[in-house]
Amino acid sequence: QVQLVESGGGVVQPGRSLRLSCAASGFTFSSYGMHWVRQAPGKGLEWVAVISYDGSSQYYADSVKGPFTISRDNSKNTLYLQMNSLRAEDTAVYYCARGMVRGVIFPPFDYWGQGTLVTVSS
Amino acid sequence: QSALTQPASVSGSPGQSITISCTGTSSTVGNYDLVSWYQHHPGKAPKLMIYEGSKRPSGVSNRFSGSKSGNTASLTISGLQAEDEADYYCCSYAGTVVFGGGTKLTVL
Repeated sequence: QVQLVESGGGVVQPGRSLRLSCAASGFTFSSYGMHWVRQAPGKGLEWVAVISYDGSSQYYADSVKGPFTISRDNSKNTLYLQMNSLRAEDTAVYYCARGMVRGVIFPPFDYWGQGTLVTVSS
Repeated sequence: QSALTQPASVSGSPGQSITISCTGTSSTVGNYDLVSWYQHHPGKAPKLMIYEGSKRPSGVSNRFSGSKSGNTASLTISGLQAEDEADYYCCSYAGTVVFGGGTKLTVL
């Protein structure tokens, strides 16, 4: 069965960096676009970034463009989110999610991980 | 402010039907069948309930249905059950991915 397991969250000081990982299993990882979506405490879902199935294209929400980088290693079935220059506003649970349609970067997202909490605080 | 507008909360009694609206623009809702709906129980992974406006993924109860009128998409849940109590989000794509602000469903 499809599984997405995030890791790498934790408490980090403002201005520091953190890298999140999402380990995928149960499907042909290299065939699907993958997304990061976050939820700040008490807030709704916010799309963060997408990467195409082969890693050749990446797109970002305006709120993270520049400091955040999405990448993938298809040989390891793993998705990454490098987060630099973190701010308090980046505090959230970060979910990885699979784009449902092979080879397409749009929603919908048919599988989600359980999320990993990132807290930016001094 | 979200590009997709949802009511903050709705409620209903067991067995009743409720509808959650999601109002956007011609680009996000009206001209294309791009809206998807997600159920989110706190602390759990969000779950896809409806995609392309009205299609149900395999395994999702037929009590959940989606529709559209003009620039407003809707999620209807019939025969409300206690387990339906959750947050619901609509989502679309218009050059970027946008989520609605979310609607908290309370089953009375």
